[in-house]
Amino acid sequence: GEDVEQSLFLSVREGDSSVINCTYTDSSSTYLYWYKQEPGAGLQLLTYIFSNMDMKQDQRLTVLLNKKDKHLSLRIADTQTGDSAIYFCAENSNYQLIWGAGTKLIIKP
Amino acid sequence: NAGVTQTPKFRILKIGQSMTLQCTQDMNHNYMYWYRQDPGMGLKLIYYSVGAGITDKGEVPNGYNVSRSTTEDFPLRLELAAPSQTSVYFCASSYSIGTEGSPLHFGNGTRLTVT
Repeated sequence: GEDVEQSLFLSVREGDSSVINCTYTDSSSTYLYWYKQEPGAGLQLLTYIFSNMDMKQDQRLTVLLNKKDKHLSLRIADTQTGDSAIYFCAENSNYQLIWGAGTKLIIKP
Repeated sequence: NAGVTQTPKFRILKIGQSMTLQCTQDMNHNYMYWYRQDPGMGLKLIYYSVGAGITDKGEVPNGYNVSRSTTEDFPLRLELAAPSQTSVYFCASSYSIGTEGSPLHFGNGTRLTVT
């Protein structure tokens, strides 16, 4: 069945890089997304990648896509305290978005 | 431009009570969605709408109803609240179906507790 999997927590030191991983199941997904949820707020689109791309870079964010392994990752360079949030991976499948459970990014000083 | 606005922010219901969660958007989006978010789980789609007068069930529709009489509003109705409906509810909208690179815009959520 459809399932998007992520680790529930990631802890990094301020200034280090954060890498949040996600595996998905639908090989026909055309878009894969990363959303960010700050405390008490709704989700906001962070970035997305089209399935014919391997990598997408946007300032401190780098998205890597390995279609063979159905693996998606989000790298945040120079992690800051403002990056503390829950990060959700989502894939489109049958015209719906299937969501991971979210990875809570914890920043240590 | 307020985006997606949900009310109330918090609500406590007794078992068997009814309530309506309100959602309105001012971006003239055709597509609107209701999700629930439970701890440690991904968002689950309850209902969605592709335009005024058109609604359809998502993954977990039981116990809920929706209507879409206008483009702006998409209320979610709980008729007989049950403890299993304790959750955080998010309304979202998008310009297109959301699977073609068009982002979903989310409200800030309604935290509902049923006791």
